[in-house]
Amino acid sequence: DSGVTQTPKHLITATGQRVTLRCSPRSGDLSVYWYQQSLDQGLQFLIQYYNGEERAKGNILERFSAQQFPDLHSELNLSSLELGDSALYFCASSPTDSPNTGELFFGEGSRLTVL
Amino acid sequence: AQKVTQAQTEISVVEKEDVTLDCVYETRDTTYYLFWYKQPPSGELVFLIRRNSFDEQNEISGRYSWNFQKSTSSFNFTITASQVVDSAVYFCALSEAQGSNFGNEKLTFGTGTRLTIIP
Repeated sequence: DSGVTQTPKHLITATGQRVTLRCSPRSGDLSVYWYQQSLDQGLQFLIQYYNGEERAKGNILERFSAQQFPDLHSELNLSSLELGDSALYFCASSPTDSPNTGELFFGEGSRLTVL
Repeated sequence: AQKVTQAQTEISVVEKEDVTLDCVYETRDTTYYLFWYKQPPSGELVFLIRRNSFDEQNEISGRYSWNFQKSTSSFNFTITASQVVDSAVYFCALSEAQGSNFGNEKLTFGTGTRLTIIP
């Protein structure tokens, strides 16, 4: 158990809909990272927040947004969903602001299926 | 741009055999970090190792060992005396360290190698 909690574990929705994925980092970790794992794209970095502020941005679509709240939990919002958004979405937390200085602890992921 | 290549998509070995997972990377930076992660059937990613580009010493942790060679841009992972519990997808990853250029220290993952240990 990494200590990172992601909800929901599974989510099935329809195209055009909007969903919110939630992540609670390990106690004391200030960084939250979001990754998308799909069959065709592999593991792709989406975005990182550190202590409430956006720290790094990767291949995140404009239809996707995220935020980190004062209690350090984070939410990833996916809107206008398309079939291609079906994937496993991972959250990871870390005590530092960079993966180069602090180990990333991954949650079990939220599996999104868009029908 | 940084890139990680894991050419071996799937490997199967019989239990107790040794197995090496290959990882080749590309980066323009002189300072960077390399990682290996394990993704067991349960799905979560488990951190195995992080090495920086200035430390080319090979590392051994129990049955696991890592061979970092800057000359060939490779960071290979060997499991000795494999066990069924080693069955998983293994990812190699790279992160560049761009100093004051904040926001670019992010993990780029390879496509993974699915390792199956046959009892």
